[in-house]
Amino acid sequence: DAGVTQSPTHLIKTRGQQVTLRCSPISGHKSVSWYQQVLGQGPQFIFQYYEKEERGRGNFPDRFSARQFPNYSSELNVNALLLGDSALYLCASSLAGDNEQFFGPGTRLTVL
Amino acid sequence: KNEVEQSPQNLTAQEGEFITINCSYSVGISALHWLQQHPGGGIVSLFMLSSGKKKHGRLIATINIQEKHSSLHITASHPRDSAVYICAAWDSNYQLIWGAGTKLIIKP
Repeated sequence: DAGVTQSPTHLIKTRGQQVTLRCSPISGHKSVSWYQQVLGQGPQFIFQYYEKEERGRGNFPDRFSARQFPNYSSELNVNALLLGDSALYLCASSLAGDNEQFFGPGTRLTVL
Repeated sequence: KNEVEQSPQNLTAQEGEFITINCSYSVGISALHWLQQHPGGGIVSLFMLSSGKKKHGRLIATINIQEKHSSLHITASHPRDSAVYICAAWDSNYQLIWGAGTKLIIKP
């Protein structure tokens, strides 16, 4: 079975642009969580979706939004990019909200 | 004060040594994760536990709910165990609260 997949692997954007990151969960998993990991720091929780509903939201500005599709894949959108948004964005899937999470390889976003 | 605290922050040991990493949490949790992150970013779930003890190969994780404390042990450590080990706790708002991580280096 395929693990959690994320696309793209790497991305370079300039300040003010918008970006969409994608995540496909493990088959059968209904929950997807998004995390931001700035270099040298631990991951910070952004969102959790379960059964296409937002279940949890971390302390991130409204420029960050996400959604989950009927096939349980998910997109994370970031508008009006800032230099500080440069980070590794990790997606994790689980069967339900607080089950064991399985992580994708991440998308490394660089904002210039 | 962080809701999930790990110690030590950094740990260097010789191959073969017994390793212990500690995690204390102050939030009410439903379960606690131990995760491993290698250079380059990939995160692997090692254990999720809500009580007692779990073992997988040379790794052992324990949790004491009353004391709000968990430990990760590595027996017969090997250089390939070198990584950042992170504990993270599920709170009641479905947020995974992460510790700062323990950077482990095992020297041959």
